[in-house]
Amino acid sequence: SAVISQKPSRDICQRGTSLTIQCQVDSQVTMMFWYRQQPGQSLTLIATANQGSEATYESGFVIDKFPISRPNLTFSTLTVSNMSPEDSSIYLCSVDVGGSGKLFFGSGTQLSVL
Amino acid sequence: DAKTTQPNSMESNEEEPVHLPCNHSTISGTDYIHWYRQLPSQGPEYVIHGLTSNVNNRMASLAIAEDRKSSTLILHRATLRDAAVYYCILGAGNAGNMLTFGGGTRLMVKP
Repeated sequence: SAVISQKPSRDICQRGTSLTIQCQVDSQVTMMFWYRQQPGQSLTLIATANQGSEATYESGFVIDKFPISRPNLTFSTLTVSNMSPEDSSIYLCSVDVGGSGKLFFGSGTQLSVL
Repeated sequence: DAKTTQPNSMESNEEEPVHLPCNHSTISGTDYIHWYRQLPSQGPEYVIHGLTSNVNNRMASLAIAEDRKSSTLILHRATLRDAAVYYCILGAGNAGNMLTFGGGTRLMVKP
């Protein structure tokens, strides 16, 4: 299993600003994933972050808007840049531990943009 | 990506078994069937996954049709704590790597 800590748990931000979300895992993992969950919706994958390489973004998501860092095997950050009210969502990080076939999720960051 | 179809919502009585269906008619031979659930205000939680054979764990059972075009998640005895959105997802391989979530089934459990 894996314990994932996400910070902040929630934030209220002004449009035009940026927020960096941190994801810390209690074990080394190769792949980390960032998801977005808009209000009342299912989860949408933003990008896959591997240590030592650039993140791979899904269709509709770009690096300029959602830059990701992955400095080591236990940590990643997702930045939501130049925010607008449409960015109001829950952002979740998840990890695959050792190819177990299971994803573990953080509790998410609830972002509201005014 | 192969897609899944689930009912939007289901109701169950507490302490009764629950069968949550999932159709995946375009499943490929290497796709695993994964189930996750999301309790209110929490991130998704792994429930079970399998390839061809039925699977059991302490949380649930997964029954996979012989042609693999459908599957059923079985909660043997629903509790109020099982009220959640249940997602049936197809994933390539057993690596648990990126999963594409569909709409899921919202399970309501009545006391």
